[in-house]
Amino acid sequence: DTEVTQTPKHLVMGMTNKKSLKCEQHMGHRAMYWYKQKAKKPPELMFVYSYEKLSINESVPSRFSPECPNSSLLNLHLHALQPEDSALYLCASSQAQGTAGYTFGSGTRLTVV
Amino acid sequence: AQSVTQLDSQVPVFEEAPVELRCNYSSSVSVYLFWYVQYPNQGLQLLLKYLSGSTLVKGINGFEAEFNKSQTSFHLRKPSVHISDTAEYFCAVSASGAGSYQLTFGKGTKLSVIP
Repeated sequence: DTEVTQTPKHLVMGMTNKKSLKCEQHMGHRAMYWYKQKAKKPPELMFVYSYEKLSINESVPSRFSPECPNSSLLNLHLHALQPEDSALYLCASSQAQGTAGYTFGSGTRLTVV
Repeated sequence: AQSVTQLDSQVPVFEEAPVELRCNYSSSVSVYLFWYVQYPNQGLQLLLKYLSGSTLVKGINGFEAEFNKSQTSFHLRKPSVHISDTAEYFCAVSASGAGSYQLTFGKGTKLSVIP
């Protein structure tokens, strides 16, 4: 299995809703990442988990809450989002920090209404 | 810190013509270099990467890139493009040392192949 699987593919949520994005990989990668991508822009790093521990938080608002239950799973919990948070959320994984070969999932297209 | 400059935001090219997408980087340390492709409404797919060794790197879908350390460039080339190559292409860099998590992307180049 050489894929990163993200669910759901599309999500529409209200500003008072609570939802979660899920990401799963079975490549034995020990680093996992959340990126946010706005239209016509490059991906922006949000969080990095290394060996199931949060190692980088790029000053992301607390309405985004990451969770890494085990080495294969990465969640992003969403609460009280704003319309400007609408974007494509990408999950990625790699063998270890500092090594090459990030594998990206196909993303979750999030729309906040 | 590293930075990436993709010199062209849009590149139109006729089908079966050659194409070069330009990428320059800046870093005070050794780096790994990557090219990713993103088709509409999809995630990023790795085209090729330079880690070390031969400066000419071959990737998927007939693409290749050449690492030029003196010019700090990593340009992507394909000798004959197809309609299916229409997509956004991102050049990216990461520091090669341990503890270097971050993949820094350029702003992207939209390749449009004209029939």
